[in-house]
Amino acid sequence: DTGVSQNPRHKITKRGQNVTFRCDPISEHNRLYWYRQTLGQGPEFLTYFQNEAQLEKSRLLSDRFSAERPKGSFSTLEIQRTEQGDSAMYLCASSSDFDNEQFFGPGTRLTVL
Amino acid sequence: AQTVTQSQPEMSVQEAETVTLSCTYDTSESDYYLFWYKQPPSRQMILVIRQEAYKQQNATENRFSVNFQKAAKSFSLKISDSQLGDAAMYFCAYRSSLNFGNEKLTFGTGTRLTIIP
Repeated sequence: DTGVSQNPRHKITKRGQNVTFRCDPISEHNRLYWYRQTLGQGPEFLTYFQNEAQLEKSRLLSDRFSAERPKGSFSTLEIQRTEQGDSAMYLCASSSDFDNEQFFGPGTRLTVL
Repeated sequence: AQTVTQSQPEMSVQEAETVTLSCTYDTSESDYYLFWYKQPPSRQMILVIRQEAYKQQNATENRFSVNFQKAAKSFSLKISDSQLGDAAMYFCAYRSSLNFGNEKLTFGTGTRLTIIP
């Protein structure tokens, strides 16, 4: 296993379109996190899964955002009706139940025109 | 809610010298974890060092060490013998020790470290 992977790495879309990102965590990791990072800022927490259960959602996650982890493996983050303010780097991280270190993926950079 | 503050947006250091990055945090919890993450340009974030609040001894990882002052809520990172590969954004992060819904990391705004050859 080579670490957390995210696809696509870059996404350019027009305002109002829907986009979906995918995250594949490290295979033995039960915990999966989504963060958003805007230019010049630190990552901000969006949501967290333990296996397939979504245990916590930030108030940053508006009704236009939805995340799933259907079989407790990969996760998807969908943004509906994108807005220019959604432009950011979307980071995924995973961790095991036995260690608090979160391993980060390379991120998906979203640009909304 | 916990907050993390990094007051140095940018720092620079001569190669082979020592530099200290500052971080303060605010929490009402007595037990928690603190982390320093490194984010090189266009590369993914990696963990540099971590500290458990109940441990009084400061964590050390090779050239990286921390100065953890619990009462002052301060958590600085010292990089000794700086190398060109240390150039990156450095983020301080906080995590509650509670499980089941409190595992998220709260990050500071970061410090951009430049290494001068």
